[in-house]
Amino acid sequence: GQSLEQPSEVTAVEGAIVQINCTYQTSGFYGLSWYQQHDGGAPTFLSYNALDGLEETGRFSSFLSRSDSYGYLLLQELQMKDSASYFCAVRHGGFKTIFGAGTRLFVKA
Amino acid sequence: EAGVAQSPRYKIIEKRQSVAFWCNPISGHATLYWYQQILGQGPKLLIQFQNNGVVDDSQLPKDRFSAERLKGVDSTLKIQPAKLEDSAVYLCASSLAGGDGTTEAFFGQGTRLTVV
Repeated sequence: GQSLEQPSEVTAVEGAIVQINCTYQTSGFYGLSWYQQHDGGAPTFLSYNALDGLEETGRFSSFLSRSDSYGYLLLQELQMKDSASYFCAVRHGGFKTIFGAGTRLFVKA
Repeated sequence: EAGVAQSPRYKIIEKRQSVAFWCNPISGHATLYWYQQILGQGPKLLIQFQNNGVVDDSQLPKDRFSAERLKGVDSTLKIQPAKLEDSAVYLCASSLAGGDGTTEAFFGQGTRLTVV
């Protein structure tokens, strides 16, 4: 079956760097996405990695290692508004996308 | 560009009643998804359409849930009869295509269902 694992909670201080890891087990892997969801809001797309390596978009970077079935989201210069849930999502065989349980990020002043 | 529209935003029903949710995806998006998100959990895929064909409905409880996408555009998700454990936010999302390229999915604001 398909499964994704990510930590349930992470706490960091404003201005710091935080890394949220995601390991997955799936067949027919196409790529790994990251989504941000604020309380009461809809998930919004952050990044997508289909190939190994690091993708950078402003303060957010995402990394993928296909051989290790592992990826991470790196958030730099943390701001209070970054407090949210972050989901990794795997796109696998048949163009299907499944989500992890989410990591709740708390940013403290 | 208009986003994914969903209605209603909130719904409270008694168990064993029926309910329907509506979704209008972004114009031109071939792929449409319905997700169920229980509080504190990640979205769980219920059904995925490619145009008006079903790609995946393996996690849809077909004894009570049904979904259709007429003419490959709007979609409705129905629950009949509802159970207490169906209380969740039902999210509709759409994306341009089902290929293995960039796969950004755009989500609607969801319908928060409470079954009492």
